[in-house]
Formats: sequence, structure tokens, C-alpha cells
Amino acid sequence: GESVGLHLPTLSVQEGDNSIINCAYSNSASDYFIWYKQESGKGPQFIIDIRSNMDKRQGQRVTVLLNKTVKHLSLQIAATQPGDSAVYFCAENIRGFQKLVFGTGTRLLVSP
Amino acid sequence: GAVVSQHPSWVICKSGTSVKIECRSLDFQATTMFWYRQFPKQSLMLMATSNEGSKATYEQGVEKDKFLINHASLTLSTLTVTSAHPEDSSFYICSAQLNSGNTIYFGEGSWLTVV
Repeated sequence: GESVGLHLPTLSVQEGDNSIINCAYSNSASDYFIWYKQESGKGPQFIIDIRSNMDKRQGQRVTVLLNKTVKHLSLQIAATQPGDSAVYFCAENIRGFQKLVFGTGTRLLVSP
Repeated sequence: GAVVSQHPSWVICKSGTSVKIECRSLDFQATTMFWYRQFPKQSLMLMATSNEGSKATYEQGVEKDKFLINHASLTLSTLTVTSAHPEDSSFYICSAQLNSGNTIYFGEGSWLTVV
């Protein structure tokens, strides 16, 4: 079946560092991608999204990069803070299908 | 952002009983709602997609007679776990979307423990 996977299950950084979380997707028909943050025991929280006609999108302290050639998505968090500690999921929407497919998740640990 | 509310946040039920979880979009009308299931330390797995007024579309491997989904209005969808067993214990999360192409908002999830 279709899958979205992540390279690193856990990422540990120091407070103030920049974090980069990566995601590989397998379906070339995916046209919309979203990054979610999930804190323990809570539902996913929308962070940022990007459509396939773009290769970069910036938000507040976050940037998403999309490389369709290699089917790769990344989330960059600037000046990472302890409050950023959570599990981050990428999700893709496959064109023509009304649903999101989630990746396996990366746990981000931020040390003070 | 938009708010999606789930109720109850957590529930404990006896094996063999049924339990209902509600998902409400509080400040927008959701034409589509999604139900996910998440086991500890795992990703979200889509169970079904429901459109208001029509039957839900279930993912492969999800028993439609066990997980009953009703989307009777544009602001409410319910998931009923029938004849619950301990292996049904999980974190159930709903999400809602105004229209196709719009942002999908997630609820806070509902913890189900079957004893």
C-alpha cells in the first residue's frame, strides 16, 4: 500500500538549535502535504502545509521544504524550544483520494 | 483555528459492551469527517471517512459492523465501537474538513480502555 515514512525516529537537540525533521513519501500523485505536532495524549496539531506546486513555505519559526524529484519533505524549526518537544508527523493527500496518509512519526526532544 | 471537539476524552467499558464517541466541529460545518485509531508509539491509522448524509467509507481491514460511523449533521459524527474487546483499547481521533482542499482539523482524541 501507499506509505509515508520518516528517516529518524528520534531527534535530540539543544534549546536554541535549529531542528530538521525529514519525511519520505512514496506516491507521486500526492498533491498536498501537512506537518502535524502531537504532544503526549493529545490530538495532532496543524503546523504548516504545502501544495505540490510549491517547493518551500514559511511560517512562524517553521519552514517546510518539498522536493518532488526525490519525494522528500522536511520540516525546519528555527531556534528550537523545550515546548517544541513532541512527535511530529508528516501526512500526504493523494490526488483524487479524500484522505490523509500519515508517516510513522519522529520524536523531537529538546534539552534546555 | 477551527475547533473540533471529541467526547468523551476517555472512557472505560466492559468487554462485550458498546461505546459511542462523538466528534463535533464547533465553529464550522464539516462536510467530511475522518476517524483514526492510534496505538501507543505508533502513527495514526485512518479507519473511515464519512460524508454528511451518506455511508462512511471504511479502510481495508476495518470492520464496518464493529465500528459504526454516523454523520447525521454537518457538525456531528459519531463512532460506536460495538461488542468491545480489550484489543479495541486505543486512542481514537477524529478530524473534520469544511470542503475538499481545505485544512483538516483534529480533535483532542478519546482514550478507550476495554476491561
